[in-house]
Amino acid sequence: DTEVTQTPKHLVMGMTNKKSLKCEQHMGHRAMYWYKQKAKKPPELMFVYSYEKLSINESVPSRFSPECPNSSLLNLHLHALQPEDSALYLCASSTRLDNEQFFGPGTRLTVL
Amino acid sequence: EDKVVQSPLSLVVHEGDTVTLNCSYEVTNFRSLLWYKQEKKAPTFLFMLTSSGIEKKSGRLSSILDKKELFSILNITATQTGDSAVYLCAGSILINTDKLIFGTGTRLQVFP
Repeated sequence: DTEVTQTPKHLVMGMTNKKSLKCEQHMGHRAMYWYKQKAKKPPELMFVYSYEKLSINESVPSRFSPECPNSSLLNLHLHALQPEDSALYLCASSTRLDNEQFFGPGTRLTVL
Repeated sequence: EDKVVQSPLSLVVHEGDTVTLNCSYEVTNFRSLLWYKQEKKAPTFLFMLTSSGIEKKSGRLSSILDKKELFSILNITATQTGDSAVYLCAGSILINTDKLIFGTGTRLQVFP
């Protein structure tokens, strides 16, 4: 299995909702990443997990809460989001020593 | 501040043309430079360059890194309409774990 999967593909939520994005990889990668990408902009790093521990939080608002239950899974819990949080959320993974990051197809999030 | 700058921002060519995309970087703790192709969703990996002067090649695509002058180029020969995409360059930083700093991308459009 050489891919990163993300669910759901699309998500529409209100500002008071709580939802979660899920990312899964079975390549044995020990680093996993969340990125946010706005239209016509490059991906911006949000969080990095290394060996299931949070190693980088790029000053992301607390309404985004990451979780890494095990080495294959990465979740992003969403609560009380704002319309400006609407974006494509990309998950990626890489081996610990090799920085080639494999990206999932993304979840397109719309906050109403 | 770490930054990656790509040029041109956009490029319009006809099938069969050869294009050169540029990427310059100022990245502390530099580890490698990566090129990705992004069509509608997830960026797909093209090349990772760690050593100066060694060309990496895959079909009609090739890339080279100059660590002294801090830049990289991506060449595409005999372009096809399927090459139309945004090409992202990213500098990789090794701190506690791997982190990518993306450039703004070059949007390439190839017309028949």
